[in-house]
Amino acid sequence: AQSVAQPEDQVNVAEGNPLTVKCTYSVSGNPYLFWYVQYPNRGLQFLLKYITGDNLVKGSYGFEAEFNKSQTSFHLKKPSALVSDSALYFCAVRPQRGRGYQKVTFGTGTKLQVIP
Amino acid sequence: GAVVSQHPSWVICKSGTSVKIECRSLDFQATTMFWYRQFPKQSLMLMATSNEGSKATYEQGVEKDKFLINHASLTLSTLTVTSAHPEDSSFYICSARVAGDYNEQFFGPGTRLTVL
Repeated sequence: AQSVAQPEDQVNVAEGNPLTVKCTYSVSGNPYLFWYVQYPNRGLQFLLKYITGDNLVKGSYGFEAEFNKSQTSFHLKKPSALVSDSALYFCAVRPQRGRGYQKVTFGTGTKLQVIP
Repeated sequence: GAVVSQHPSWVICKSGTSVKIECRSLDFQATTMFWYRQFPKQSLMLMATSNEGSKATYEQGVEKDKFLINHASLTLSTLTVTSAHPEDSSFYICSARVAGDYNEQFFGPGTRLTVL
């Protein structure tokens, strides 16, 4: 069965500093990987995805993520954090084929707090 | 990106009544729609997957007679919580995806259900 681990419940970072939100995954075969952001009492907004090709994926609002197959990781990064980036971030994985390929599995979420 | 709407955004009902939540894809045709439930400070729990014109596939532990899902068209899916009880109070989120191996899901803004 596929799974996603976000080891940090909360990440605090000062405004202007680089941020990293960690994600590791487990899936049979090659993965499709996603990052979503959720603001309070709102649905999830798509940030970026990895399908194939370049391991560094660039997404919305200056976020990027690096796919590392050997470490089965897909950490979310941003060079300079903004207070408005404070939100809940979800990593998600889906197998490219095989049983369960339609189903996306989400991590438990990491709350990002950017301190002014 | 694609837009998914949900209605209502919040609803309060008495125990024993039924509540219908609508999910619409506004600018694309969604071959597959998903219904999630999110508890406070927790990840999304997939309840069911529905493909247009066919019966929904429910996840283990989700009562299909209690959570009725109808996906009558490529732009509309409904979730009906029948005979609602206080333990059904939660944040319900729908998402939609266009057919394709790697297309990301687009999420609605969510519906806050409170059962008194």
